[in-house]
Amino acid sequence: DTAVSQTPKYLVTQMGNDKSIKCEQNLGHDTMYWYKQDSKKFLKIMFSYNNKELIINETVPNRFSPKSPDKAHLNLHINSLELGDSAVYFCASSHSVADTQYFGPGTRLTVL
Amino acid sequence: AQTVTQSQPEMSVQEAETVTLSCTYDTSESDYYLFWYKQPPSRQMILVIRQEAYKQQNATENRFSVNFQKAAKSFSLKISDSQLGDAAMYFCAYRRWGTGTASKLTFGTGTRLQVTL
Repeated sequence: DTAVSQTPKYLVTQMGNDKSIKCEQNLGHDTMYWYKQDSKKFLKIMFSYNNKELIINETVPNRFSPKSPDKAHLNLHINSLELGDSAVYFCASSHSVADTQYFGPGTRLTVL
Repeated sequence: AQTVTQSQPEMSVQEAETVTLSCTYDTSESDYYLFWYKQPPSRQMILVIRQEAYKQQNATENRFSVNFQKAAKSFSLKISDSQLGDAAMYFCAYRRWGTGTASKLTFGTGTRLQVTL
């Protein structure tokens, strides 16, 4: 039944490591997003893909690289993790770029 | 650049009462969308209500309704008959009309709503 799912839900890792977060949606949507929620609960867009094409790339360090193997999946790979990367990362999807976005459960990343 | 302001970091309401959460935004666009999302302690982001700027009628969803004042750039959320399950962070969000980069949501800083017995 899960519409937008993310794995893992929790991720604890050491500084300098490389990690990936996976996102899958079974809603048939063609647009997917990554948002970052910091420790003060502020949410900000990072990336967006429409039909596997990158359409939004906000000011994000190039250590962050999204990958969309197909319309139902959008993964986020992070290289050389830093303390400041600790946050909750949300995946979202929408039917089209103009439609309402539905969010996954979030992945809490903690960098030690 | 568009900005969204939620001036109430915290609000409290008694069960069964009504509460209104405030949101103002700044934009030079005439066509756009506004949203309220709820984030309970489970941290799931849940869509509460959506308003298209071209619609004069205020959106309603069961106990949730908005007061959309386009000229004032104000978009408040009214929760009637508050329930314990309404306790959460509430985020106001703006999205420009259009495709491509317009699809990004710009969020306010959130209002934490407590519901007391």
